[in-house]
Amino acid sequence: KQEVTQIPAALSVPEGENLVLNCSFTDSAIYNLQWFRQDPGKGLTSLLLIQSSQREQTSGRLNASLDKSSGRSTLYIAASQPGDSATYLCAVLYGNNRLAFGKGNQVVVIP
Amino acid sequence: DAGVIQSPRHEVTEMGQEVTLRCKPISGHDYLFWYRQTMMRGLELLIYFNNNVPIDDSGMPEDRFSAKMPNASFSTLKIQPSEPRDSAVYFCASSLLIYEQYFGPGTRLTVT
Repeated sequence: KQEVTQIPAALSVPEGENLVLNCSFTDSAIYNLQWFRQDPGKGLTSLLLIQSSQREQTSGRLNASLDKSSGRSTLYIAASQPGDSATYLCAVLYGNNRLAFGKGNQVVVIP
Repeated sequence: DAGVIQSPRHEVTEMGQEVTLRCKPISGHDYLFWYRQTMMRGLELLIYFNNNVPIDDSGMPEDRFSAKMPNASFSTLKIQPSEPRDSAVYFCASSLLIYEQYFGPGTRLTVT
């Protein structure tokens, strides 16, 4: 069974600092890895998707890397802003088209 | 496109009542997924469909839960009878092939 872990569960950073969020998964046989953002009481917004053959994806201030062999992904958010405060979820697509989620990193950016 | 649409957004019901959650996927998507999110267990896949056919329902917690997809633009998740431990946020998502999944806003279910 695929297990996805996100550490730390919660963190606070001052505005302007770079954010580094970590995700690990137990089975390296994945199709892709997706990072989502979830605001309180809201649905999930897809931020970045990395195919299993890729090493990283970038979108604006966001950069996600994937090391499939070691079962790790990192999401970098440059120059954090208060609007970046949210929960960030990592998910891997594996097996019979199943998406396994971590429990998220709850981020607070302090103005 | 309006994205994945779910209704109702909030549902409060009493234990023992039947609950029906609804989902309209993004037009053209051939996969539809139902998830449940709780504080304790996070997001869990309940069931998914491909071209309206249920493919994997191993995540459905018990026989009280059932899901249908009568056509490409509509799916329901039904709980009968409902119990307090079913209280959670239920998400529907859709995708084209097996790629990026797009999530709806969720239905917050409270069973008293």
